Amino acid sequence: AQTIHQWPVAEIKAVGSPLSLGCTIKGKSSPNLYWYWQATGGTLQQLFYSITVGQVESVVQLNLSASRPKDDQFILSTEKLLLSHSGFYLCAWSLGQNSDYTFGSGTRLLVI
Amino acid sequence: GQGVEQPDNLMSVEGTFARVNCTYSTSGFNGLSWYQQREGHAPVFLSYVVLDGLKDSGHFSTFLSRSNGYSYLLLTELQIKDSASYLCAVRWPNYNVLYFGSGTKLTVEP
Repeated sequence: AQTIHQWPVAEIKAVGSPLSLGCTIKGKSSPNLYWYWQATGGTLQQLFYSITVGQVESVVQLNLSASRPKDDQFILSTEKLLLSHSGFYLCAWSLGQNSDYTFGSGTRLLVI
Repeated sequence: GQGVEQPDNLMSVEGTFARVNCTYSTSGFNGLSWYQQREGHAPVFLSYVVLDGLKDSGHFSTFLSRSNGYSYLLLTELQIKDSASYLCAVRWPNYNVLYFGSGTKLTVEP
C-alpha cells in the first residue's frame, strides 16, 4: 500500500528564519507530487508540482521554492520566512491524468 | 484561477440529503474533483468527474454539466458525521494543477 509521510508535523518559526518541509511517498514509483498551502480558514492553493525527479513547476510561488531530489521525495523551502507563510502545508501525490490526489496529513506552520 | 465558486454554508437534517453546488469557468476544463475536509485535517478524495451526467457512488453522487460550468455533490441518508467542509476543485490548465473552491461547510443536525 502507498503511504505519504510529511515532516515535521508542526513548527513555530521566527520571521526571517529558514524553513524546510519534507514529503516522502512509499509504495509507488514515479508519482506526480504536489505542494499545497492553506491559510487558517482559507482556500487550498497549489504551490508546485513535479512529474519527475529534478523537475519542479511553479503554480504560485509565495516566496517559496521546491525541489525533488529523489523519486519519492519532495521538499518545500525558503531562506527567509514571512508572517504570511503561516498556515497548513499539504503534500499530495497522484498517478497522473484522471487520477485522484491523495494528501498527506500536513504540516502546521506558525511564523511569529 | 478558474473562478471556482461554492456557497459558504449548508445545513441539513440527519436522514435526509444535501446538495453542495459548485460553479466554475469553463475554458480549458480538464476534470472536476470533490474532496471532504474536516477541521484541522487534510482533504480526502471523494469523486472525480470529467463527463456530463450523474455518477452514483452510493452515499455520495456527483453531477457535471460542462456546458454550464456546474457540478454538484449529493449526499444521501445524511449522518451527523457527514458534517464537514466539501471542496470542489477544477483541473486547469493541465491535469497537474487543481484549483480549489473555498469549500462549503455542511452541518447535519439531528
